[in-house]
Amino acid sequence: NAGVMQNPRHLVRRRGQEARLRCSPMKGHSHVYWYRQLPEEGLKFMVYLQKENIIDESGMPKERFSAEFPKEGPSILRIQQVVRGDSAAYFCASSPASRQSNYNEQFFGPGTRLTVL
Amino acid sequence: AQKITQTQPGMFVQEKEAVTLDCTYDTSDPSYGLFWYKQPSSGEMIFLIYQGSYDQQNATEGRYSLNFQKARKSANLVISASQLGDSAMYFCAMREGAASYDKVIFGPGTSLSVIP
Repeated sequence: NAGVMQNPRHLVRRRGQEARLRCSPMKGHSHVYWYRQLPEEGLKFMVYLQKENIIDESGMPKERFSAEFPKEGPSILRIQQVVRGDSAAYFCASSPASRQSNYNEQFFGPGTRLTVL
Repeated sequence: AQKITQTQPGMFVQEKEAVTLDCTYDTSDPSYGLFWYKQPSSGEMIFLIYQGSYDQQNATEGRYSLNFQKARKSANLVISASQLGDSAMYFCAMREGAASYDKVIFGPGTSLSVIP
């Protein structure tokens, strides 16, 4: 039973380029969450998606960032025209659609470490 | 205002000793959940333990236990019999409300170092 998969694990981009981060949730999970972890800080919620729908993007910067979770394929976090301040670890988490336990734990992927030169 | 406070940026503990990592939280919602995650140097986030706001007993998972004091809004993690592999960052997190989705708010973390 594969866990949450993220790729690439490490991504280097120059300022102004685009970064695409992919997340495949655990089998049977239809809820996906993206978090950002700046160096020496905790994780900050960015966006919550279900298949083909953005449910909550209150933590997402208004410009340059977008996320999708299509009917088929992985969830994508896209950062356009990256800047040095975008350098961080980006974690994806998934959870099942219905509460299979009393707390609906989020399972995290290994993260993508983005470095902007 | 900080929702989750972890006042210990770094902690040291002797191998085989117990250690308590502090966490206080702030919410006005009567329904919430509290989580602890471990992040080793390799970077992945590992779920450790969960406590629901309505749970009558403190949660335990192996060597991990959660000292839940609802009136004080604290949810300290106790690790018994520390091992070298416990050296990592530890994050306290909270899910507010009984929404159909679970937006989790993380604290800043505590770095734990286990000394042989």
